Amino acid sequence: QVQLVQSGAEVKKPGASVKVSCKASGYTFTNYHMHWVRQAPGQGLEWMGMIDPSGDDTNYAQKFQGRVTMTKDTSTGTVYMDLGSLRSEDTAVYFCARDRGYGVLPPAIANLFDYWGQGTLVTVSS
Amino acid sequence: DIQMTQSPSSLSASVGDRVTITCRASQTVRGYLNWYQQKPGKAPKLLIHAASSLQSGVPSRFSGRGSGTDFTLIISTLQPEDFATYYCQQSYSTPTFGQGTKVEIK
Repeated sequence: QVQLVQSGAEVKKPGASVKVSCKASGYTFTNYHMHWVRQAPGQGLEWMGMIDPSGDDTNYAQKFQGRVTMTKDTSTGTVYMDLGSLRSEDTAVYFCARDRGYGVLPPAIANLFDYWGQGTLVTVSS
Repeated sequence: DIQMTQSPSSLSASVGDRVTITCRASQTVRGYLNWYQQKPGKAPKLLIHAASSLQSGVPSRFSGRGSGTDFTLIISTLQPEDFATYYCQQSYSTPTFGQGTKVEIK
């Protein structure tokens, strides 16, 4: 079965960086794009960007351009989200989410999310 | 970015009720509209994609309709496990979500 397992909670100081991992299993890693979505406490969902595990293609939300980097390690089936210049407003739960895809393998990107990691709480506090 | 607006922001309902949640896009998203359910402390779960297609494993009491800018999620007969927050999301362009609708027990 498809599983996305994320790294544990982090506490960071303002100005620092955080790197969250998401290990995928149960499917062919390179066939499906992976997205990152965050949720501030008591708030809604916010898309941050995506990575194509079959190559080097990434697409980041304009809000995070210059501050976020998404990478992957094909040998371990893991994607990473690195967010820098942290501020208190970045305190949130960060989710990785697999793109559902449309069509035959490898599916075309669909920008909707069928499997999610359990979430990683990142707290930014001085 | 396309803005998604849900209504109501919250509602109270009883087990067995029919529940309707509305989502409106600031510009057309054609049929690229998806619905998620989220319970406290959990990741969202995909319920419906492409406005009306039920995701595998999702009970048939959930349905969706609409196109263009106006969409609806319907729960035909509310069950105890359906009390949660529901989000719409457009996948026509850069993904954006509605602000959520919390379904509470009356």
